[in-house]
Amino acid sequence: NAGVTQTPKFQVLKTGQSMTLQCAQDMNHEYMSWYRQDPGMGLRLIHYSVGAGITDQGEVPNGYNVSRSTTEDFPLRLLSAAPSQTSVYFCASSSWTGGVPLYFGPGTRLTVT
Amino acid sequence: GQQVMQIPQYQHVQEGEDFTTYCNSSTTLSNIQWYKQRPGGHPVFLIQLVKSGEVKKQKRLTFQFGEAKKNSSLHITATQTTDVGTYFCPHGTNTGNQFYFGTGTSLTVIP
Repeated sequence: NAGVTQTPKFQVLKTGQSMTLQCAQDMNHEYMSWYRQDPGMGLRLIHYSVGAGITDQGEVPNGYNVSRSTTEDFPLRLLSAAPSQTSVYFCASSSWTGGVPLYFGPGTRLTVT
Repeated sequence: GQQVMQIPQYQHVQEGEDFTTYCNSSTTLSNIQWYKQRPGGHPVFLIQLVKSGEVKKQKRLTFQFGEAKKNSSLHITATQTTDVGTYFCPHGTNTGNQFYFGTGTSLTVIP
């Protein structure tokens, strides 16, 4: 099993550009989520999904869209990138909600200029 | 909603010294997990505590869940340079659908 994979590993965007961060897991996990990590701010939850076709907002959802058309994939879309979205983005999954450990991907380092 | 504070935010120790980080909640927690993130890496699950007063050990690491299930601690005995990283104690919401990690405790071990 590859676990949780994220692409790309690094990305530089100009303000106003759009892009999609990819996340995939091969563990048949129902629960998937996106976090961003900024210095001094810890990990903050952006969006999460408890199964295909179901998504919901976390702490900092503004500026990001998600969809969950399959169990395996949970892409994160930035429609119009802003410098404030410069961050490291982590995708995580678990087999069910309620306390089972989260498995994290290696992260995507995004810079918006 | 639930508020969990983790202290300290930063800690520098000499190699061989002990280290403790604490998580304190304003409300009762159903469970608490501990994760470690090495510099440049991603968070990795260490352990989950569920029962009141629970104590679990992993080699030099000791995890405790308070009797009231409102606080938890991670104690590392005789730190090593491999212990460097940020330790998080995320908690879930009552529905279990959201996990809040917070800022964690960043541990630096001085050789």
